Amino acid sequence: DGGITQSPKYLFRKEGQNVTLSCEQNLNHDAMYWYRQDPGQGLRLIYYSQIVNDFQKGDIAEGYSVSREKKESFPLTVTSAQKNPTAFYLCASSIWDQPQHFGDGTRLSIL
Amino acid sequence: DAKTTQPTSMDCAEGRAANLPCNHSTISGNEYVYWYRQIHSQGPQYIIHGLKNNETNEMASLIITEDRKSSTLILPHATLRDTAVYYCIVSLEYGNKLVFGAGTILRVKS
Repeated sequence: DGGITQSPKYLFRKEGQNVTLSCEQNLNHDAMYWYRQDPGQGLRLIYYSQIVNDFQKGDIAEGYSVSREKKESFPLTVTSAQKNPTAFYLCASSIWDQPQHFGDGTRLSIL
Repeated sequence: DAKTTQPTSMDCAEGRAANLPCNHSTISGNEYVYWYRQIHSQGPQYIIHGLKNNETNEMASLIITEDRKSSTLILPHATLRDTAVYYCIVSLEYGNKLVFGAGTILRVKS
């Protein structure tokens, strides 16, 4: 089945470590997005990419980095510069004139 | 991006229609109204979107006022599985920035 796969579902990080969250889609979508969600709040955009080898910062990009080397993959790295990384991270993708579709998220916690 | 205003929470009896309102008085002419919902610990699920005409699909109906300053999402026969947070979002059709507010918590009760 086509869809968006985020892995792992739960992730733990020690303070000072970088960690990379995976997002893969087999929908042949051009655009991919990363959002962050804190408890009781809506989603906030971290980064997005409309085509391979190109991406733009969203509203809360500080402390995060991304790459888009392949159309189907858009990994997010949470760096040690992100002061409050504990959150629910959601990846989405879309194609021209169609709505964004989301994966089931990765919950990141600091040990 | 235009901002939206939604009630914090609503209750609905199982089997009845759930009508979720949304105000978006600053919407621009080329912005669409999108509705998503999120069940706890899952990713948001797309429901429906529209520009100015009313829309209906297998999940819901979307009623947009003539001045486009508000809209209503209608779940015609709510079930317990419709209990979720419902987000109303306005965005360009190729929605690069979906700006999610706090949404409306819909509780469907038996």
